Amino acid sequence: AQRVTQPEKLLSVFKGAPVELKCNYSYSGSPELFWYVQYSRQRLQLLLRHISRESIKGFTADLNKGETSFHLKKPFAQEEDSAMYYCALHSGGYQKVTFGIGTKLQVIP
Amino acid sequence: NAGVTQTPKFRILKIGQSMTLQCAQDMNHNYMYWYRQDPGMGLKLIYYSVGAGITDKGEVPNGYNVSRSTTEDFPLRLELAAPSQTSVYFCASTGVRTEAFFGQGTRLTVV
Repeated sequence: AQRVTQPEKLLSVFKGAPVELKCNYSYSGSPELFWYVQYSRQRLQLLLRHISRESIKGFTADLNKGETSFHLKKPFAQEEDSAMYYCALHSGGYQKVTFGIGTKLQVIP
Repeated sequence: NAGVTQTPKFRILKIGQSMTLQCAQDMNHNYMYWYRQDPGMGLKLIYYSVGAGITDKGEVPNGYNVSRSTTEDFPLRLELAAPSQTSVYFCASTGVRTEAFFGQGTRLTVV
């Protein structure tokens, strides 16, 4: 069975401080990992996917197969980064998705 | 493109009433999901479907039912509404080599 673990329900950081949102996964195949973001009262939307190796809004995430992790990082937090972040594992040609419980990021001015 | 459309956006139900939350996608996605999100909490999977005619329970299915008669539609039925079902409900779909697409959510209050 595939599983996604986000150990922190809430992460509070000061503006300008580095951010790391943790995500670990369990999956027997080759994982496709994604990060989704949900701003206040909005629908979830894609933030980034590991296969693209891109930086979106200053966020990056590296897939570490040895540690089965896909942590989301940003060097300097901004107030507009305050949101709910979900790590997700896609399988079956991306079709089956398993979400973590989410981490609420609170950036303190 | 419409993507994933949910109706209604808001609804207030009395205890014991029934209702159906509608979800439709126009991307020909096979997989569809229903989640609930309680205030300040993460997503909890209620039901999902891997294609027309096939549905399966998620982690919190009690009090809900679903059907999938077509690829496009995946309605969620609440038979006897209870205050514990007050939540925001999200429908989502995934296709081959795509990310998950979400609806705008339905904010349900049971009083």
